[in-house]
Amino acid sequence: EDQVTQSPEALRLQEGESSSLNCSYTVSGLRGLFWYRQDPGKGPEFLFTLYSAGEEKEKERLKATLTKKESFLHITAPKPEDSATYLCAVPSREGGKLIFGQGTELSVKP
Amino acid sequence: GAVVSQHPSWVICKSGTSVKIECRSLDFQATTMFWYRQFPKQSLMLMATSNEGSKATYEQGVEKDKFLINHASLTLSTLTVTSAHPEDSSFYICSARDKLARGAKNIQYFGAGTRLSVL
Repeated sequence: EDQVTQSPEALRLQEGESSSLNCSYTVSGLRGLFWYRQDPGKGPEFLFTLYSAGEEKEKERLKATLTKKESFLHITAPKPEDSATYLCAVPSREGGKLIFGQGTELSVKP
Repeated sequence: GAVVSQHPSWVICKSGTSVKIECRSLDFQATTMFWYRQFPKQSLMLMATSNEGSKATYEQGVEKDKFLINHASLTLSTLTVTSAHPEDSSFYICSARDKLARGAKNIQYFGAGTRLSVL
């Protein structure tokens, strides 16, 4: 069964304190791994897609990496505006439905 | 690019009435749209998959007669919550997949969500 697990559930950082979020996945035949950011009361905002092990993508203070079993979202010198819930998802075999992890709620304090 | 518009963003209705939520892809064509429901502090729960010109596919446990989905064009899908009750109060989010996205297959772009409150 396809499965996505994110850790930690919640992460509190001081401004400038770099860290990483983890997304472990079990899927037969990876068809991409997606990272989204969700602010309270809003829909998820697309950040990155990774398709093969070893691939990396960067956007401002965020960098996503992918191995055969997991993905990391590295946050370098975070700012309070990076506070949000970060969701990881993979497409299922059936019709491209996304299987989401439970998310990591990131809070960055000034 | 890849903008999905969802309307309304917030709706309050009386118990027993019906509410329609619209989801539009503004700058791309979407053969497939998805409808999700999200409870506080939880991840997204897929309700149904909507394909243009055909009947929606509902997830197990989702009442198709209560949550009517129509996908009449490549840029518009609607979700109608019929005879709404307080337990239907939730955050509903739609997403769309770009029909022509060859280098970015399976990416879903999300609307801003609709907060439904049933009194």
